[in-house]
Amino acid sequence: AQSVTQLDSHVSVSEGTPVLLRCNYSSSYSPSLFWYVQHPNKGLQLLLKYTSAATLVKGINGFEAEFKKSETSFHLTKPSAHMSDAAEYFCVVSRSGDSSYKLIFGSGTRLLVRP
Amino acid sequence: NAGVTQTPKFRILKIGQSMTLQCTQDMNHNYMYWYRQDPGMGLKLIYYSVGAGITDKGEVPNGYNVSRSTTEDFPLRLELAAPSQTSVYFCASSREGGTQYFGPGTRLTVL
Repeated sequence: AQSVTQLDSHVSVSEGTPVLLRCNYSSSYSPSLFWYVQHPNKGLQLLLKYTSAATLVKGINGFEAEFKKSETSFHLTKPSAHMSDAAEYFCVVSRSGDSSYKLIFGSGTRLLVRP
Repeated sequence: NAGVTQTPKFRILKIGQSMTLQCTQDMNHNYMYWYRQDPGMGLKLIYYSVGAGITDKGEVPNGYNVSRSTTEDFPLRLELAAPSQTSVYFCASSREGGTQYFGPGTRLTVL
């Protein structure tokens, strides 16, 4: 079975400082991993995805994530936070070879950015 | 392109009432999904469809029904609304194996 654990429910950073949102996954198969962002009262937008190519994945808006199989982690980072980054972030796993391609979501991390 | 559209945006139901949440996509995607998001939680899959005429249950299907008569539309039906169905409902669509694109959501309250 697949699952993801987001290690922090809330993260607070100052504008201009680095962002680290932590995610560990569990999968019996080769996983596909994603980060989605949800701004208040909005739908979800894909930030980036890992599908067994390069382990360092670059996404939109300066975000990137590194797939570490030995640590079963897929942490999301950004060098410098912007006020517009304040949102809910979801780490998501999908099982490679699952013909439904259904997504399994973590419980989310709310990012607060202080001026 | 409008992408994935959902109606209504908000709805309040009384216990026992029924309603249909509409979802339409204009990207010619074969795969469509319904998720619910409870407060402070991630999304959970209710039902999905891999093409017109084909649907299957997800993680939390009880109390819901779906149909897929066309590629574009994937309505979600609540027959006897219960307070436990108070949630935000998201529809998504994708090509086979592709990125899932989400609609803006329907916020449902059952009183």
